Amino acid sequence: DAGVTQSPTHLIKTRGQQVTLRCSPKSGHDTVSWYQQALGQGPQFIFQYYEEEERQRGNFPDRFSGHQFPNYSSELNVNALLLGDSALYLCASSLRNTEAFFGQGTRLTVV
Amino acid sequence: AQSVTQPDIHITVSEGASLELRCNYSYGATPYLFWYVQSPGQGLQLLLKYFSGDTLVQGIKGFEAEFKRSQSSFNLRKPSVHWSDAAEYFCAVGVNTGFQKLVFGTGTRLLVSP
Repeated sequence: DAGVTQSPTHLIKTRGQQVTLRCSPKSGHDTVSWYQQALGQGPQFIFQYYEEEERQRGNFPDRFSGHQFPNYSSELNVNALLLGDSALYLCASSLRNTEAFFGQGTRLTVV
Repeated sequence: AQSVTQPDIHITVSEGASLELRCNYSYGATPYLFWYVQSPGQGLQLLLKYFSGDTLVQGIKGFEAEFKRSQSSFNLRKPSVHWSDAAEYFCAVGVNTGFQKLVFGTGTRLLVSP
């Protein structure tokens, strides 16, 4: 079992650009959540996808959007990048309300 | 609003000594509680969870945690710390509105001295 896999592992973007991060959930899981972890902070919930629909959303602007595909994999898109978007982006998968398993994260640096 | 407080930013423990990391939560309903560990530059690994039942839960790597409803606490313990336990530890509460999201504390960095 490969667990939760995220790509890429590291990414450098310029302010104003757009970025797409990808996540493949653990085998058998149908729910994907995304979290942002700024340096020295705990992860903050961005949003959650189930059956290809956004089910709940945290306090993040509309620049943050996502998608879930029929195979349960997911993408996180961030438009008009700001310096403050620099963070570790974590994907977590679960089977509905069971415990979440996290990927290794994507380190995004905005310059 | 739901919240988690981890009052200790850093803790230093000697190898072989016991460990207790504190966690207090604020949540109106019966909480689902978790402890995760994060090594530098890595994702989060689940150490243990509390959903219901026995208030003392056992996890991986020799960790345990005790849920105390009266104190709104879920402290993590280990009887003998190993150098490999040095990492960041996060306590989280699962907020369930049909779908569960996690609300994390700010973490406690554990340093292990020889």
